[in-house]
Amino acid sequence: QKEVEQNSGPLSVPEGAIASLNCTYSDRGSQSFFWYRQYSGKSPELIMSIYSNGDKEDGRFTAQLNKASQYVSLLIRDSQPSDSATYLCAVNGDDKIIFGKGTRLHILP
Amino acid sequence: AAGVIQSPRHLIKEKRETATLKCYPIPRHDTVYWYQQGPGQDPQFLISFYEKMQSDKGSIPDRFSAQQFSDYHSELNMSSLELGDSALYFCASVSGRALGGELFFGEGSRLTVL
Repeated sequence: QKEVEQNSGPLSVPEGAIASLNCTYSDRGSQSFFWYRQYSGKSPELIMSIYSNGDKEDGRFTAQLNKASQYVSLLIRDSQPSDSATYLCAVNGDDKIIFGKGTRLHILP
Repeated sequence: AAGVIQSPRHLIKEKRETATLKCYPIPRHDTVYWYQQGPGQDPQFLISFYEKMQSDKGSIPDRFSAQQFSDYHSELNMSSLELGDSALYFCASVSGRALGGELFFGEGSRLTVL
């Protein structure tokens, strides 16, 4: 059973600080990794994708991938109240996307 | 830009009834995925279609069936509904079987079974 593990949180971070979200996966053959943001009752929205080891930056977001450790993370700099949401880590394996259970992030004003 | 369209957005059914959810993918997307998300849960993969053929099957109950039509839209049919079927059902589309591709989600269909 291929798995994607995340800490469910909630993770509380002061406004303006860096939020760090972590994810581990079991399938060593996975090649594609995604972070989705989901507001309550809404559909997941892709915010980052990463395919190779290292860091990928997009605005305030940085995704980090370490395939040897089977670990992917998301950093959110200068956290804003609008960043409060559930963040889903997703991994592509065997032609389907497998989601983690999500980490609830709460930005404290 | 056109997005994934799902209908209906909300549906209320009684136990043992039947429901049908529809999904219209982004134009030129040939792959559709269905996910079920219960309250406070992560999206659970149900089934996927590529080029009108079933490509993968997840935790879809035998009471559910789905298909993809010639215009690439997909329908999820749910029979003998149970209370536990109450959930958000998401459809997502991608071009080319999601090998490295990113899923684009519809806004979801909320099914409530009474």
